[in-house]
Amino acid sequence: DTAVSQTPKYLVTQMGNDKSIKCEQNLGHDTMYWYKQDSKKFLKIMFSYNNKELIINETVPNRFSPKSPDKAHLNLHINSLELGDSAVYFCASSQGGVNEQYFGPGTRLTVT
Amino acid sequence: GNSVTQMEGPVTLSEEAFLTINCTYTATGYPSLFWYVQYPGEGLQLLLKATKADDKGSNKGFEATYRKETTSFHLEKGSVQVSDSAVYFCALSPSLGSSYKLIFGSGTRLLVRP
Repeated sequence: DTAVSQTPKYLVTQMGNDKSIKCEQNLGHDTMYWYKQDSKKFLKIMFSYNNKELIINETVPNRFSPKSPDKAHLNLHINSLELGDSAVYFCASSQGGVNEQYFGPGTRLTVT
Repeated sequence: GNSVTQMEGPVTLSEEAFLTINCTYTATGYPSLFWYVQYPGEGLQLLLKATKADDKGSNKGFEATYRKETTSFHLEKGSVQVSDSAVYFCALSPSLGSSYKLIFGSGTRLLVRP
């Protein structure tokens, strides 16, 4: 059973397009996250949601809009994609805000 | 602010060698500390954790001790295997105010040769 799943695994698109990445967790957790991993493997928090409420928005451009339809899902929509958005995006979940987080397999986004 | 500093890689070892990957942190309060591992092409997996000073986390032969006096959480393994080749991330979860996120170090790539 996959605990945290993301779709798609790979996404190749052109500059200016709009795309979405979906995330689902079946762990019963109340908190979900989006992280961005750049080409040097550096990981940085983008957003976190607790019980569908936005808790953290880490100075991410407003072209990025997360949506949490329920506690088990957190989607990421990106408008007007730019070359600098190319990265691997990881979804994660946890129970509460200080416990260990469980990560999805990642979505590799390539903007050409 | 909160931050995590890891030794730069890559770290290249022969099989059965002793491994240490250094990690130090800056944080207010009493953060929880974690080591995550990322195998090639995969997501991050929790390797071990410690939630208070002097706690020792351990898993799969890896160990790390939460040292508040030196603000460190170094990862060790007595005898590495080729299958341990991966990128290792040290991370902290702040205890005050800005929870609901992990702050990661830059990652250390480990390459174990047969």
